Amino acid sequence: EIVLTQSPTTIAASPGEKVTITCRASSSVSYMYWYQQKPGASPKPWIYDTSKLASGVPNRFSGSGSGTSYSLTINTMETEDAATYYCQQWSSTPPTFGAGTKLELK
Amino acid sequence: QVRLKESGPRLVQPSQTLSVTCTVSGFSVTSYHVSWVRQPPGKGLEWVGAIWKGGSTDYNSALKSRLSISRDTSKNQVFLKMNSLQTDDTGTYYCAKHGPIPYFDYWGQGVMVTVSS
Repeated sequence: EIVLTQSPTTIAASPGEKVTITCRASSSVSYMYWYQQKPGASPKPWIYDTSKLASGVPNRFSGSGSGTSYSLTINTMETEDAATYYCQQWSSTPPTFGAGTKLELK
Repeated sequence: QVRLKESGPRLVQPSQTLSVTCTVSGFSVTSYHVSWVRQPPGKGLEWVGAIWKGGSTDYNSALKSRLSISRDTSKNQVFLKMNSLQTDDTGTYYCAKHGPIPYFDYWGQGVMVTVSS
């Protein structure tokens, strides 16, 4: 199975700061998907097909990457962005998730 | 609108069987695939298995010997059964709808299951 490694595990950012979360795959994948999860809530679809924002996602978010290296970027951190972000692939079964990156407000 | 709702026991004894139901509305389980995803407390997400819109299933190989996913198309429900539960099966179990692309575009609220005597 394809293992996804996210970094960093935890990051703290101040409002207005730029944030980048990386997801590396153990084998090449065609696309990467991202979810946002806040405590006590279900994951929310966030980015699909590597760079497309899910409905309702602010355009300060962006996704990029190819092959084995992908990233999620927040152009200017806002308070509401504090959450855990997970990457996911389904280029091969089983679909796998990264271990998550916890984004905290500094 | 699309909704998924899990229902099932909150407490299961070790070695017993977990049965969780996902009741969906706003779409048909014969038109979209549905997966189960679980999350141990404070940890990440793990795909458990899926039932495809045609009715066939796919399971996480690590869980396959203990797992069964089925559906009732007349009630628009998907079922998860996992036997021989152990304490590390404790966690929140979500059902999730697949989009037209291989990602989960709608999630249920999840059901927190504790395996304990």
